[in-house]
Amino acid sequence: NAGVMQNPRHLVRRRGQEARLRCSPMKGHSHVYWYRQLPEEGLKFMVYLQKENIIDESGMPKERFSAEFPKEGPSILRIQQVVRGDSAAYFCASSPEADANTGELFFGEGSRLTVL
Amino acid sequence: GESVGLHLPTLSVQEGDNSIINCAYSNSASDYFIWYKQESGKGPQFIIDIRSNMDKRQGQRVTVLLNKTVKHLSLQIAATQPGDSAVYFCAENQGGSEKLVFGKGTKLTVNP
Repeated sequence: NAGVMQNPRHLVRRRGQEARLRCSPMKGHSHVYWYRQLPEEGLKFMVYLQKENIIDESGMPKERFSAEFPKEGPSILRIQQVVRGDSAAYFCASSPEADANTGELFFGEGSRLTVL
Repeated sequence: GESVGLHLPTLSVQEGDNSIINCAYSNSASDYFIWYKQESGKGPQFIIDIRSNMDKRQGQRVTVLLNKTVKHLSLQIAATQPGDSAVYFCAENQGGSEKLVFGKGTKLTVNP
């Protein structure tokens, strides 16, 4: 009965490289959310996806950032040409389709990106 | 900016005391509120939620109070334990949206 699984837990990249963060939602969950958290701050919404669809990407920067949730496999948050300001913890959360409107999200342990 | 904020960034209590963590929100359209607990290096963990048609909800050792008149939310933890030390976030679901908006958090420290 695994929870939301994120990998890698820690990722170090040099400026200009690409970062790929993966998220496998809880079994039976078809809604995935990505949040970013800077040190000593709250979680900022980035994007909300359902299988093969981006529902709300209002919190995601227009450039360099993209997200997908394919029919098969994990959700991917991709950051191209990383800059130091991208250093943060990126959290994935999922919710079951039936309860999507309750708002309760189940979070993973996060992926901590450090850009050198 | 964020519509959900917190009155105090840190709170220090003695073990066994009751803790009260406060949260203000500005969006009157929000209809669902959640408290999350985040321990160092971990993801947020659900504590308790409340809908806007309620003003109080109780869980195990925790109570959430909602005052819609002043747009205020609080989390009360009874008999606070060292394991309660964490950062606590309130979050709101802004009516019609399926995303949660988080506040900045309150760091709770429980002294033995």
